Parts: sequence; C-alpha cells; structure tokens
Amino acid sequence: DAKTTQPTSMDCAEGRAANLPCNHSTISGNEYVYWYRQIHSQGPQYIIHGLKNNETNEMASLIITEDRKSSTLILPHATLRDTAVYYCIVRVATRDDKIIFGKGTRLHILP
Amino acid sequence: NAGVMQNPRHLVRRRGQEARLRCSPMKGHSHVYWYRQLPEEGLKFMVYLQKENIIDESGMPKERFSAEFPKEGPSILRIQQVVRGDSAAYFCASSPITGTNTEAFFGQGTRLTVV
Repeated sequence: DAKTTQPTSMDCAEGRAANLPCNHSTISGNEYVYWYRQIHSQGPQYIIHGLKNNETNEMASLIITEDRKSSTLILPHATLRDTAVYYCIVRVATRDDKIIFGKGTRLHILP
Repeated sequence: NAGVMQNPRHLVRRRGQEARLRCSPMKGHSHVYWYRQLPEEGLKFMVYLQKENIIDESGMPKERFSAEFPKEGPSILRIQQVVRGDSAAYFCASSPITGTNTEAFFGQGTRLTVV
C-alpha cells in the first residue's frame, strides 16, 4: 500500500506556481521522498527526490518539512503541458525497493 | 543515452493467444520493474527483476503471467491465454545496479488489447 496521502485533484492558473502537497507521516529515516508524474497515457516521468534537505532541479523544487512528515512539490511557472497526475512516493533509495504508486493528484493547469 | 525501450507499443491479441511484451532497460541498468495500468486506474506493481533473477513478484497474478530478464537481451513479460481483462497498459522501468539514491526511469508502455 502507498504510504502517502495526496489531494485527489488541484487546479492552477497557467504561469502561476503549482504547489502540490503530500503527507507521509509514517516515513522511516532511510526513506526518500520521490515525485513522478504521468501525462495522459504516457509512461511515468521522474521529477525529483530528496531525503531531508530541500531540492531543486530544472523541473521543480521539493520542500520537505523538518520532521519529514510532509512535503510540497513546486512547479514554479506552470504551463498547460504540466497537466498530469502527480505521484508522491516514499521508498528506500536502493535498487531493491520497488516503487508503489498511490492515486496521486490530478493537476489541471487552466489557461 | 537511449531511454527505456518497450515494444511493441501496441499489441492486439485474440482471447486465448499469448502476449509477449519486451523491455530494454537503459544502458548500464540491470534492474527492471513491470507495472500494469488498467483503463482509468492507477499503476500497479507486478514484478521486479535483475539479470537472471526475480527479486519480487508479489504483484504478479498467480496464473498465466511470467517474467524473465535473461543475461542477454530484453526483459520479457509473458501472458498466456489472454483474456479481455488483461487489456491494459504495461509499463517497464529500469534502475542502475550500483549506488544508493537512485531513481527508476520508465518506458512509454505497451498497450495490450484483447479482442
């Protein structure tokens, strides 16, 4: 079972920052927070991951609370192409831990 | 560096036939995951393999489904005697052999239609 809780859906205006929350109150010390997204019918796309420090890459920023029980994925300037289902996942970041997807958040970017 | 390659992209089979889905991992990756996505549903883990070894098959149906990842060549997900309920998108992902802090990369999937 997925170890995370996300809102079912969210809307965001094009050009604004999209902030997607995720709760993972039972996260273990050796588990990372990963974010993937799935644009309609395509394969899931890796976005970003982190352990406890905030992370930023060319796609997004990941803010993890100090107690690590929740996090927020930030898409700084959302475009219509960011419309997708976003999955927050916790897993041990070694090769022997499978990825369990929950229901994710369906993000609609509004023109 | 080519991404994870899955073929065929679309596959149509009649009930009772066999379906073979192939997944070539990214270069340097020796671990493969298979997922199934039924229409309008989420991604369900099926099996996790490394070269010549099944690590976790807890998501595989007990009958008709099998997976392998030989020393040479792609990983194969095989479905025998397909039924209409097997119609779905099947995704493969790969990850590297060494190191911690790794991410898995997904292919574009094979869409199986059973008629």
